[in-house]
Amino acid sequence: KAGVTQTPRYLIKTRGQQVTLSCSPISGHRSVSWYQQTPGQGLQFLFEYFSETQRNKGNFPGRFSGRQFSNSRSEMNVSTLELGDSALYLCASSLVLGRAQETQYFGPGTRLLVL
Amino acid sequence: QKEVEQNSGPLSVPEGAIASLNCTYSDRGSQSFFWYRQYSGKSPELIMFIYSNGDKEDGRFTAQLNKASQYVSLLIRDSQPSDSATYLCAVNSPGNTGKLIFGQGTTLQVKP
Repeated sequence: KAGVTQTPRYLIKTRGQQVTLSCSPISGHRSVSWYQQTPGQGLQFLFEYFSETQRNKGNFPGRFSGRQFSNSRSEMNVSTLELGDSALYLCASSLVLGRAQETQYFGPGTRLLVL
Repeated sequence: QKEVEQNSGPLSVPEGAIASLNCTYSDRGSQSFFWYRQYSGKSPELIMFIYSNGDKEDGRFTAQLNKASQYVSLLIRDSQPSDSATYLCAVNSPGNTGKLIFGQGTTLQVKP
């Protein structure tokens, strides 16, 4: 079974631009969570989507948004990029089946550099 | 107090030894606990999950959970240089579906 895939793997943007990252979950997984990882803050939860609905959101500004499509693929968007948005953005998928919904499998990540 | 705490290390052990990684968490409502391994420049890889008090073994790895003490640990037996990585402890956030709270990670170095 193929794992979680994320595109693109690397991005370089300048301040003020916007960026869209894509995530395809493991086949059969319907929940997608997004995290930001930085050396200083570690892994921080951004939001989670299930059935095209955002179920949970972390403490990030409104510049960070996301969506999920009917095939469970998800995108996240960051508008008006700031230098501090440079990070590894990770997508994780999970089954929505009892306890298994909490076991998350990560994709390879998208490394974003904002100049 | 951080929600999930780990000693950042580095923890250095000789090849063949047992590495012991520890994690404490603050929310008594957490019910699911995970250990991820992350190599430098890579994404986290799930190693173990544990839900019940006690030990859970998988190959060279043993996860231990003590909910009364709010403590989770990971033992790696017969440590290999390839085990050198950062180990992340994660717990579920009660009432927040899809949210895992991560510790800062412990860096493990296994010396040949």
